[in-house]
Amino acid sequence: KNEVEQSPQNLTAQEGEFITINCSYSVGISALHWLQQHPGGGIVSLFMLSSGKKKHGRLIATINIQEKHSSLHITASHPRDSAVYICAVRSNTDKLIFGTGTRLQVFP
Amino acid sequence: GAGVSQSPRYKVAKRGQDVALRCDPISGHVSLFWYQQALGQGPEFLTYFQNEAQLDKSGLPSDRFFAERPEGSVSTLKIQRTQQEDSAVYLCASSLGWGGRHQPQHFGDGTRLSIL
Repeated sequence: KNEVEQSPQNLTAQEGEFITINCSYSVGISALHWLQQHPGGGIVSLFMLSSGKKKHGRLIATINIQEKHSSLHITASHPRDSAVYICAVRSNTDKLIFGTGTRLQVFP
Repeated sequence: GAGVSQSPRYKVAKRGQDVALRCDPISGHVSLFWYQQALGQGPEFLTYFQNEAQLDKSGLPSDRFFAERPEGSVSTLKIQRTQQEDSAVYLCASSLGWGGRHQPQHFGDGTRLSIL
């Protein structure tokens, strides 16, 4: 069993839909990251969380430390949101442990 | 530029050749990380530097992999006697603080390595 599990693996949506991507982890962490990766490899850090909830534009990230679970929400999705979204946890030794990613496609 | 810069963007090598991948972190960033991302998978940790000190190399898959950061800024990941299973995207990330604790990691665009 992977230390970081994401669901779903693949997700398609119509423009305007509300999207949720889930992440569960089984190790002790100091922080959790949500990352966005576009074709070609570049990774952009969206959020770093250690508790509660953060919002940036149409993106919202939440974390429940007791349940070892985090969610990334996208409101009013748009085709430009199409990308791979990766959950990564920062272990107590500082290195990141990544999930396998959720491939999101938003159609107009 | 202001971001993490990796070169080359693409590298094709024949099996058995040695390759060197370069990472220029954001100026002033103390921590530097190397990750390997196989096709369709999430990145996996290779090694971590704090300034010039390599504090964790537990992710390096074999003794053919070697990383250095001699002056605490630019880092080079070297792979000797490359094998086909080394084909992957190699990502570099840097962060500001000591050990990167509570600091976001900033990623480069990666080097896509293909071994023929």
